[in-house]
Amino acid sequence: AQSVTQLDSQVPVFEEAPVELRCNYSSSVSVYLFWYVQYPNQGLQLLLKYLSGSTLVESINGFEAEFNKSQTSFHLRKPSVHISDTAEYFCAVSTGGFKTIFGAGTRLFVKA
Amino acid sequence: DTAVSQTPKYLVTQMGNDKSIKCEQNLGHDTMYWYKQDSKKFLKIMFSYNNKELIINETVPNRFSPKSPDKAHLNLHINSLELGDSAVYFCASSQDRRPNTEAFFGQGTRLTVV
Repeated sequence: AQSVTQLDSQVPVFEEAPVELRCNYSSSVSVYLFWYVQYPNQGLQLLLKYLSGSTLVESINGFEAEFNKSQTSFHLRKPSVHISDTAEYFCAVSTGGFKTIFGAGTRLFVKA
Repeated sequence: DTAVSQTPKYLVTQMGNDKSIKCEQNLGHDTMYWYKQDSKKFLKIMFSYNNKELIINETVPNRFSPKSPDKAHLNLHINSLELGDSAVYFCASSQDRRPNTEAFFGQGTRLTVV
């Protein structure tokens, strides 16, 4: 069975600083990996996804994540964060079982 | 137009009551889901329907009953509400049941049982 571990429950960071949100997964089969973002009082929105091909995937708002098969990781990074990036971020993994498993979430708090 | 809409947004009710949450998607997707998010933000799948057929039914009390009258709608009925049912419930949809398809979420229904 697959599982997802987000290693940090909260990440405080100053505006314009870089950030990394860590995600590790376990699965015995090939996986598809996703990062979703949840702004306060809203539903989750897809940020980016890895399906196949290039291991580095990017979002339109400057986030990127790299699939590392040997380390079973899919960490999310941004070189310079904004106040508006404050949100809850969820890593998710999906295999062939028609079910997506979500991590426990990481709250990114960007301070001025 | 809202892609996945669920109503109501907030629901406060007493223990023992029966309530329903409605969900509609206008994306033409085949697959719909109900998720429960607890106070610690942990997100857990409850049910999934594909073209009105139940395909995922997690370990959920049988007080929870999903109904899919057509593939654009997935409603959740909850009988005999308990304090522990307080949570945010999210409806979501995806193009189909393949694992490489992303989910589109509604805004959530915050259920408070008092």
